[in-house]
Amino acid sequence: DSGVTQTPKHLITATGQRVTLRCSPRSGDLSVYWYQQSLDQGLQFLIQYYNGEERAKGNILERFSAQQFPDLHSELNLSSLELGDSALYFCASSVGGQGGSSYNEQFFGPGTRLTVL
Amino acid sequence: DQQVKQNSPSLSVQEGRISILNCDYTNSMFDYFLWYKKYPAEGPTFLISISSIKDKNEDGRFTVFLNKSAKHLSLHIVPSQPGDSAVYFCAASARFKKLVFGQGTRLTINP
Repeated sequence: DSGVTQTPKHLITATGQRVTLRCSPRSGDLSVYWYQQSLDQGLQFLIQYYNGEERAKGNILERFSAQQFPDLHSELNLSSLELGDSALYFCASSVGGQGGSSYNEQFFGPGTRLTVL
Repeated sequence: DQQVKQNSPSLSVQEGRISILNCDYTNSMFDYFLWYKKYPAEGPTFLISISSIKDKNEDGRFTVFLNKSAKHLSLHIVPSQPGDSAVYFCAASARFKKLVFGQGTRLTINP
């Protein structure tokens, strides 16, 4: 158990809909990272927050957005969903990462499996 | 542009033998490298890392080798155990930049 929790575990929805994925980092970790893993693909970095502020951005679509709240949990919002958005979405957390650095070891949650029908 | 490549989607090794997983990268700015292990229905778990100032890092049965001139790193597992069966991801980072993952290699340890 990494100490990172993600809800829900599974999500099935239809094209055009909007969903929210939630992540609670390990106690004491200030950085939250979001990744997408599509079928047979590696983990694609989406976005990082550090202590409530966006620190680094990856291949995140404009239809996707994220935020980190004062209690440090984070939400990833996916809107106008398309079939191709079906994937595993992982959240990870680390103690540091203020500069957007990935040097700090990241601890991953179990993921949310999103299926868009 | 796949900056980190794991060219073998799968690898099968007999229990007790050595498992060697390979990873190539293209970005010469990468200076920190990690291996993650992933079991089904779980998130990736950090395994071992190496910075570019070293060419080898060892942790128990796991050793990572870095060849900067070839832009290649490898993970050696000796001896391989059934519990090592998992997907292994190689990842790399340049200072103050995001972590870039490879596609993963599925390792199967046969009894």
